[in-house]
Amino acid sequence: EPEVTQTPSHQVTQMGQEVILRCVPISNHLYFYWYRQILGQKVEFLVSFYNNEISEKSEIFDDQFSVERPDGSNFTLKIRSTKLEDSAMYFCAGSSSGRFGNEQFFGPGTRLTVL
Amino acid sequence: AQKITQTQPGMFVQEKEAVTLDCTYDTSDQSYGLFWYKQPSSGEMIFLIYQGSYDEQNATEGRYSLNFQKARKSANLVISASQLGDSAMYFCAMRGSSGYSTLTFGKGTMLLVSP
Repeated sequence: EPEVTQTPSHQVTQMGQEVILRCVPISNHLYFYWYRQILGQKVEFLVSFYNNEISEKSEIFDDQFSVERPDGSNFTLKIRSTKLEDSAMYFCAGSSSGRFGNEQFFGPGTRLTVL
Repeated sequence: AQKITQTQPGMFVQEKEAVTLDCTYDTSDQSYGLFWYKQPSSGEMIFLIYQGSYDEQNATEGRYSLNFQKARKSANLVISASQLGDSAMYFCAMRGSSGYSTLTFGKGTMLLVSP
């Protein structure tokens, strides 16, 4: 069964450094999402991506964040200058449709630790 | 705006017993989808069950069923015959019909199944 993959599984970085989190969505998916979960808290939406552009973003997704799908398979989240509060689990998700009835398939997550 | 409320931070159940995890929601959308995800200690998000707002019957998936009461805006998850492997965090989530249908999550309920 196809699945969403994410690399790395755990990333440790120094405050102020740039990080790139990578995701390989399921091949027939068209809608892509990034969510984050700060330890012990609920999952929060960051950004959605469709047709090679951002379709929606939350207040969390400020100028320090960017997403791209450089080669039609990978979907990346870049944080330009990490802050301590960026420490969280980051989930990539995808769905074949943007309709409300379609399940979003989540990747296993990347745990980002900012020191 | 959409909102999901899970009022039970933690629940305990004995193996083989049934347990109900509560979820209430608020939305102005006429059409929407409700999802339950399981998050074990390893961190990944596992889809469990889906209920559409226009579905007349309650969704069931194996030992999982969703008690959908539209007038009360509740979508409780019922797990029958609990197993030790059911111990995990459970998140209720909603996807609306407006915009690009991102998922809005509740704060989650930690379920512990004891022998």
